[in-house]
Amino acid sequence: RKEVEQDPGPFNVPEGATVAFNCTYSNSASQSFFWYRQDCRKEPKLLMSVYSSGNEDGRFTAQLNRASQYISLLIRDSKLSDSATYLCVVNNPSGSARQLTFGSGTQLTVLP
Amino acid sequence: DVKVTQSSRYLVKRTGEKVFLECVQDMDHENMFWYRQDPGLGLRLIYFSYDVKMKEKGDIPEGYSVSREKKERFSLILESASTNQTSMYLCASRTGGNQPQHFGDGTRLSIL
Repeated sequence: RKEVEQDPGPFNVPEGATVAFNCTYSNSASQSFFWYRQDCRKEPKLLMSVYSSGNEDGRFTAQLNRASQYISLLIRDSKLSDSATYLCVVNNPSGSARQLTFGSGTQLTVLP
Repeated sequence: DVKVTQSSRYLVKRTGEKVFLECVQDMDHENMFWYRQDPGLGLRLIYFSYDVKMKEKGDIPEGYSVSREKKERFSLILESASTNQTSMYLCASRTGGNQPQHFGDGTRLSIL
C-alpha cells in the first residue's frame, strides 16, 4: 500500500461548482498534513495546512479524519483559476528529516 | 517569505557531461531536498540533507550525488548525464519539526 494515495482524476467541473478531493495515508502515527497546489510546469506551493479540528481559508476547507486515516479538501464556488493539480502531503514520523511524503496529485480543471 | 532559488530555469546539456544544479535558501533551514518530477510519476526524492556535510539517499539516488558545504546551499550533481535524466528538478527546504516544505521554481533539464 502506498504511504499516501490520491485519486488522480482528472476532475472536470463547471465554474461555481463545489468539488472535494480525498487522500488516504497509511501511517496512523502521522501528525502533520498539508495540501499543496501545483500549476502546470510550475513548482508545488503550499495551499494550506490541515488541522485536527478542520480549517477553512476562504473557499477552501480542509478536514482530517484520523479514524479512517484520510484528509479531504473541499473547494466551493470553483473559479477558472483553481485549475491545477492538488497534492496531498503527510508527515512520516520516522524521526528522519525525510518526513514529508507527497501524493501523486489530483488534477482539477474548472470549465467556463 | 521563504525564498528558495535554483540557479537555472532551463538547462540543456549533452550525454556524458557532468552537470551541476544549484539551490540556495535564505531562511536558515536545516533540511534541504532534491526531487525530480516526471509526467505520471509524481515527485521522487533523489537526495536530502539535514545538516551541513550531511546527506541521505532518497528513492532514486543512482546517477546523482549532492554537496552541502554551507547551510544555505545544496547542490545536485549528475556525474555523467544520460538522456533518462531529462526531467524537471525541484529543490526544497524546510526547518525542523513538522513544518511544510518550500520549493524553488524548478530547473527543466534536457540531456541531448
